[in-house]
Amino acid sequence: GAGVSQSPRYKVAKRGQDVALRCDPISGHVSLFWYQQALGQGPEFLTYFQNEAQLDKSGLPSDRFFAERPEGSVSTLKIQRTQQEDSAVYLCASSPATEEKLFFGSGTQLSVL
Amino acid sequence: AQSVTQLDSQVPVFEEAPVELRCNYSSSVSVYLFWYVQYPNQGLQLLLKYLSGSTLVKGINGFEAEFNKSQTSFHLRKPSVHISDTAEYFCAVSGSGGYQKVTFGTGTKLQVIP
Repeated sequence: GAGVSQSPRYKVAKRGQDVALRCDPISGHVSLFWYQQALGQGPEFLTYFQNEAQLDKSGLPSDRFFAERPEGSVSTLKIQRTQQEDSAVYLCASSPATEEKLFFGSGTQLSVL
Repeated sequence: AQSVTQLDSQVPVFEEAPVELRCNYSSSVSVYLFWYVQYPNQGLQLLLKYLSGSTLVKGINGFEAEFNKSQTSFHLRKPSVHISDTAEYFCAVSGSGGYQKVTFGTGTKLQVIP
């Protein structure tokens, strides 16, 4: 595709529900990042993949958060037993190399009620 | 670890006036520096980046930034703003070399007043 695609664009979940957020990076991009952006804040790093390898998951806030990229392209961020504090925009970004700019998707806005 | 401080959460400026958005970073290693812009209802996009070389970096839409190592700053400037520059601007930093996660500041909302 022309850019990074994220789905769904909006997700409303009841507290305790599991959610899965999808990211389709630009074809051929090796690096893939997930960020969490709370209202009025800058993006906060969650995790990083190089191809299918998850090289850094230091930003995942708890063991309820899990990310995968099994074939080195599409990535899924899963949040189990969602809590209200998980409400945020989840951004995915890809890059052809680590020094290159990040190409961001439009994000998934998650609201946990 | 690196961190970024954007002291100004909002900057109002009249159209055609100059603007400077401030960014200071903290790092114990060499860094790469970035400015990203987020227009309403759009994803973040890169304005400019500093990797090495000339400390004055020119980006898209007439923006430029200057890397000042002694002051650990990377302020963004534009000599004459347009209404279309109204957006949120994020400064970001990463360590240099190999994989390094990109850390973002809290953002500065630029409001251009007609």
